[in-house]
Amino acid sequence: DIQMTQSPSSLSASVGDRVTISCRASQDIVKYLNWYQQRPGEAPKLLIYAASTLQSGVPSRFSGRGTGTHLTLTIDNLQPEDSATYYCQQSFGTPYTFGQGTKLEIK
Amino acid sequence: EVQLVESGGGLVQPGRSLRLSCTASGFIFRDYTLSWVRQGPGKGLEWLGYIRSEIYGGTEYAASVKGRFRISREDSKSIAYLQMNRLETEDTAVYYCVRGNSMARPGAYSYYYMDVWGKGTTVNVS
Repeated sequence: DIQMTQSPSSLSASVGDRVTISCRASQDIVKYLNWYQQRPGEAPKLLIYAASTLQSGVPSRFSGRGTGTHLTLTIDNLQPEDSATYYCQQSFGTPYTFGQGTKLEIK
Repeated sequence: EVQLVESGGGLVQPGRSLRLSCTASGFIFRDYTLSWVRQGPGKGLEWLGYIRSEIYGGTEYAASVKGRFRISREDSKSIAYLQMNRLETEDTAVYYCVRGNSMARPGAYSYYYMDVWGKGTTVNVS
């Protein structure tokens, strides 16, 4: 199985900041990488697929980059509603696997 | 509105069975892959398996549930099922039904992603 490791596990930032979350795969996954946001008490929501394609309706301050084994999610101009846990997920092969999550707190 | 609604969760004793349902609306159900994903209390997300669309057919499962869980679908009713047998306390979780979608990649395997999530149904094995 492909192991996905996110870093950091948690972070705290202020409104207006830029943050970057890293996702490392145990093998080359090219761009088969999706990002999800999960607010407390809610179901996950798709943000980005194929490493860098923004899902319809997602603000453009979310962006994804990278290929291979190291991919990132960047959030520019942080807003209070961005307080959530973020997960990466590989779709290179089954079983699809998720990172352990990064909990983002807005100060 | 595109929607998935899970049902069938509840309290069940270890060793017993439970069947979850996922009712879809707002899209052509038969054209999409359907996954089940769970989240244990205070834990991350775990993909359990999927059932492909009518055209491609077939299922895939995570090792942790293969042989105990089975995914099926009734396209005429726009419903997918997760049959869970020999339940264990570690199966306690919120279970999400999720629509799979794909984006073609020329000359290679399509990009697959999960774009519509239900609100989840809670299973408590105790």
